[in-house]
Amino acid sequence: AQSVTQLDSHVSVSEGTPVLLRCNYSSSYSPSLFWYVQHPNKGLQLLLKYTSAATLVKGINGFEAEFKKSETSFHLTKPSAHMSDAAEYFCVSGGYNKLIFGAGTRLAVHP
Amino acid sequence: SAVISQKPSRDICQRGTSLTIQCQVDSQVTMMFWYRQQPGQSLTLIATANQGSEATYESGFVIDKFPISRPNLTFSTLTVSNMSPEDSSIYLCSVLWRAGDGYTFGSGTRLTVV
Repeated sequence: AQSVTQLDSHVSVSEGTPVLLRCNYSSSYSPSLFWYVQHPNKGLQLLLKYTSAATLVKGINGFEAEFKKSETSFHLTKPSAHMSDAAEYFCVSGGYNKLIFGAGTRLAVHP
Repeated sequence: SAVISQKPSRDICQRGTSLTIQCQVDSQVTMMFWYRQQPGQSLTLIATANQGSEATYESGFVIDKFPISRPNLTFSTLTVSNMSPEDSSIYLCSVLWRAGDGYTFGSGTRLTVV
C-alpha cells in the first residue's frame, strides 16, 4: 500500500535562509510524486511533480525536489525563503486514480 | 491545465440539513474526485466520480451520507446529508487534466455545521 510521511509538522526559517521540507514515501512501485502548497483560505496549488523522468524536479517560485529511490525520499527545497512562502505544504503520492496526501508541513517564515 | 469553479465557497448550516456543493470544470475530464479536509488535517479522498457510472467511495464514506452526481464530463456535485458538527470541513473537488500533469483542485467549500 502507498503511504506518505512528512517528517516535520512545522518548520520555521528566517527570510533569506534555505528551506527544507522532508518527505518519505512508501510504494511497491515507482510512484508519481507531487508537492502542493496551500496558502491560508486558498486552494491547493501544484508546486512540482515527479513522473519518472529527471530525478531533480524544478517547480514554481524557486522550489525544487529530488527523487531518491534508494532513500524513498522526495524532499522539497528552496535556496532562499521569502515571506510569501509561509503556507502549508503537502507531499502527495499518486497515480491515475488516487492521491495519497501526507499530513502536511506548516512553513513559517520570519523577518 | 483545467480551471475549476467550485461553489459555494463557504456556508454555515444547521445540523440535520443537507448542502450540495457544485464543481464546474472548463474542459471535459474523465475523472473527478471529491476530498475532505478536516480542521488542521490533511486531505482525504471521499470518492471518485466518473461520468455515466456510480461514484466509487473510499473506506469510511458511504453514498447515503455523501451522494454524488456526475451528469456530464464538466460538472459534478457532492451533497453532505443530514449534517452534524463533525462534518465541518473544507470539501474540495479535483480533476486530472492529463496523465502526468498533476491534479488541479477547486478552491474548496468551507462548511461549518452548527
